[in-house]
Amino acid sequence: NAGVMQNPRHLVRRRGQEARLRCSPMKGHSHVYWYRQLPEEGLKFMVYLQKENIIDESGMPKERFSAEFPKEGPSILRIQQVVRGDSAAYFCASSPEWDGEQYFGPGTRLTVT
Amino acid sequence: AQSVTQPDIHITVSEGASLELRCNYSYGATPYLFWYVQSPGQGLQLLLKYFSGDTLVQGIKGFEAEFKRSQSSFNLRKPSVHWSDAAEYFCAVAGNNNDMRFGAGTRLTVKP
Repeated sequence: NAGVMQNPRHLVRRRGQEARLRCSPMKGHSHVYWYRQLPEEGLKFMVYLQKENIIDESGMPKERFSAEFPKEGPSILRIQQVVRGDSAAYFCASSPEWDGEQYFGPGTRLTVT
Repeated sequence: AQSVTQPDIHITVSEGASLELRCNYSYGATPYLFWYVQSPGQGLQLLLKYFSGDTLVQGIKGFEAEFKRSQSSFNLRKPSVHWSDAAEYFCAVAGNNNDMRFGAGTRLTVKP
């Protein structure tokens, strides 16, 4: 059973471009979570999704950020018009029907130049 | 909403010495508690978790943690640290809706 997969692992974007980060949960997992880790900081919760539904987006910035988890395919975290402050590591985690444990992917490191 | 505090930003211990990393949480009900380890440039690996039952939890790599409700703490311990334990350690708390909140992390340095 493959773990949580994220791609790309590293992404470089110029200011103003769009960034798309993908997360494929573990097989059988229908819950996906996105976190952001700024340099020298812990992980900050961004959004929690189930298939085709956003359950909790209380950690998402109100503008430029969006997330989806379609019926088919990976979960996507989309950042429009990126700014330097968006440079961070973005981690995805997944879990099966609630058992309290989230399994983390290796992260995508976004650099905005 | 729940929150986690890790009071120690950076800890240095000698190889072979014992280790305790502190974690305090805030949550209105019985929480789900976790410790994760992150090596540089890597993702997070779960060390151990507490859901209910025995308050002393055994994890991987020789780690253990004790849930103390009266102190709202979930400190991580290891009796003898190895050089390979050098990493960043994160405590996390989750509530009934599975929304997990992380502490800021404690960086562990191991001296030879």
